[in-house]
Amino acid sequence: NAGVTQTPKFQVLKTGQSMTLQCAQDMNHNSMYWYRQDPGMGLRLIYYSASEGTTDKGEVPNGYNVSRLNKREFSLRLESAAPSQTSVYFCASSEYGGASGELFFGEGSRLTVL
Amino acid sequence: AQTVTQSQPEMSVQEAETVTLSCTYDTSESDYYLFWYKQPPSRQMILVIRQEAYKQQNATENRFSVNFQKAAKSFSLKISDSQLGDAAMYFCAYDDMRFGAGTRLTVKP
Repeated sequence: NAGVTQTPKFQVLKTGQSMTLQCAQDMNHNSMYWYRQDPGMGLRLIYYSASEGTTDKGEVPNGYNVSRLNKREFSLRLESAAPSQTSVYFCASSEYGGASGELFFGEGSRLTVL
Repeated sequence: AQTVTQSQPEMSVQEAETVTLSCTYDTSESDYYLFWYKQPPSRQMILVIRQEAYKQQNATENRFSVNFQKAAKSFSLKISDSQLGDAAMYFCAYDDMRFGAGTRLTVKP
């Protein structure tokens, strides 16, 4: 009963390093999302994928890239990490996508950039 | 762009009492969905309740209910008979795009 699985759970990077956050869902959902959560700011959408083969920018896409590898997997890449990207990152999926679907979240990945 | 505002950073309630969390939003759309999500200390976000804007009837899920005022663009969450397990951050969300800053709810025994 995995749901949405994110890896890694914790990561410490130095400024300028790159890394990829992996996300996989086993619910056959069409839409997948990446959010970041910062204190006092709630969740902000970085990128989303409404369906396999498509990706779109959210509210805060700068400094990130994504890949919808297949229907199950949606990765988030930081090419050159900056301290401003220190945050908790959540992957989510939704059966229908768009506005109506309930979001199912992973457990989050805490990233610290020194 | 749509915005979501939660004006109460923190709220506190006595166990078994009722508490209401506020949320307002701004949109020019007529059809949309609103959600309340709960994030306990475990960090796992889970859906509490959902409201479809075209439905006038307020959504209810057991002890959780909403007061949806479309004209006022207000979407508050009422928790009745509060339990210790209700202690968490609560986020109001507009569709899948916009979340409020959250309200931290403390439940006192």
